Amino acid sequence: GAVVSQHPSRVICKSGTSVKIECRSLDFQATTMFWYRQFPKQSLMLMATSNEGSKATYEQGVEKDKFLINHASLTLSTLTVTSAHPEDSSFYICSAPPGPDTEAFFGQGTRLTVV
Amino acid sequence: GQNIDQPTEMTATEGAIVQINCTYQTSGFNGLFWYQQHAGEAPTFLSYNVLDGLEEKGRFSSFLSRSKGYSYLLLKELQMKDSASYLCAAGGYQKVTFGTGTKLQVIP
Repeated sequence: GAVVSQHPSRVICKSGTSVKIECRSLDFQATTMFWYRQFPKQSLMLMATSNEGSKATYEQGVEKDKFLINHASLTLSTLTVTSAHPEDSSFYICSAPPGPDTEAFFGQGTRLTVV
Repeated sequence: GQNIDQPTEMTATEGAIVQINCTYQTSGFNGLFWYQQHAGEAPTFLSYNVLDGLEEKGRFSSFLSRSKGYSYLLLKELQMKDSASYLCAAGGYQKVTFGTGTKLQVIP
């Protein structure tokens, strides 16, 4: 199946700094990428959808100035958490959208801890 | 809007059969997914139902009724390693919405 590679897998940063998370599609082209956030013992919550060549679509309640999404090419989408705070500590994960007969392929996820 | 409901927790015995139900009301529905997720890890794909009916894949089977907005995941011959969260998700290319997940605990 298709592979989505997400980096870093874990990151610890100081409050007020920015963190960039990358998702690469390794053997296919992804014009769209979903970005999710998952707090402990909760499910995946869709934050935004990145689109190659156009602006990302954010879900209601997600601050687009804080969570910067860039879909630079057909194989790379990035999420930057700007001015991170402890409440941003979470598990962030990307996925390529499903096709007519295929599932959504997930990256490995990034555990962000803001101290 | 998007609304997906599934039980929060379930407990079952090793070797037994367990059924995890999911009801959904979503716009832009194309199919129903089931994923398994162990704590701290990315979800792994189990099944994808587009048409009504039962699809069997080894110890795991998934059922869909589009008219009723209902699905279930059936796990047979439970093993201890099946202890995990099971996520029901509905949608398609435009959007995939996840339920809150069912935490399954398999006991000896």
